[in-house]
Amino acid sequence: GQNIDQPTEMTATEGAIVQINCTYQTSGFNGLFWYQQHAGEAPTFLSYNVLDGLEEKGRFSSFLSRSKGYSYLLLKELQMKDSASYLCAVPTYSGAGSYQLTFGKGTKLSVIP
Amino acid sequence: DAGITQSPRYKITETGRQVTLMCHQTWSHSYMFWYRQDLGHGLRLIYYSAAADITDKGEVPDGYVVSRSKTENFPLTLESATRSQTSVYFCASSEGLEQETQYFGPGTRLLVL
Repeated sequence: GQNIDQPTEMTATEGAIVQINCTYQTSGFNGLFWYQQHAGEAPTFLSYNVLDGLEEKGRFSSFLSRSKGYSYLLLKELQMKDSASYLCAVPTYSGAGSYQLTFGKGTKLSVIP
Repeated sequence: DAGITQSPRYKITETGRQVTLMCHQTWSHSYMFWYRQDLGHGLRLIYYSAAADITDKGEVPDGYVVSRSKTENFPLTLESATRSQTSVYFCASSEGLEQETQYFGPGTRLLVL
């Protein structure tokens, strides 16, 4: 099976750096996704990691350690518009061969002035 | 360029009624997905489809029926709605399955009284 854990809520100050952690336990690993979801809106893709290490994309970076079952999303120079939920997701296959993208419950980030 | 759309955006129905949620994508993506999102559970996969006339169950398929007669459409039917099916439903699509980003529709908020 698969289990994904993220902190429920975080608060950070505008202009600061915040790290959102995600730990996962899964049988078979096919990469890890991060999505951003503003309140009342659809999730939108942020990043995908399949190899260990840090991938940077502008103000956002994502890190993966497959041996530790751990990933984090790093947000730099926080802006008010970064207030959103951040979802960690892991693709897996069931014993019957069915595919599933399993999402964590999400981390609600509040950016304060 | 509509991308992926859902209708209706909001729906109120009564217990026992049949409800169909529509999803349409203009990208010619092979894969389409239905998720529900509830507080405390995050996003959970209901059904997905690899192509026209090919569908498979996700994590929470009970009480739902899907069909895919055309590549661009993937309707989700609640055959006899229950209060526990009150949720926000998201449709998504992707070009492929593994390592492919899923693109989400705007969601349908369903209230079952």
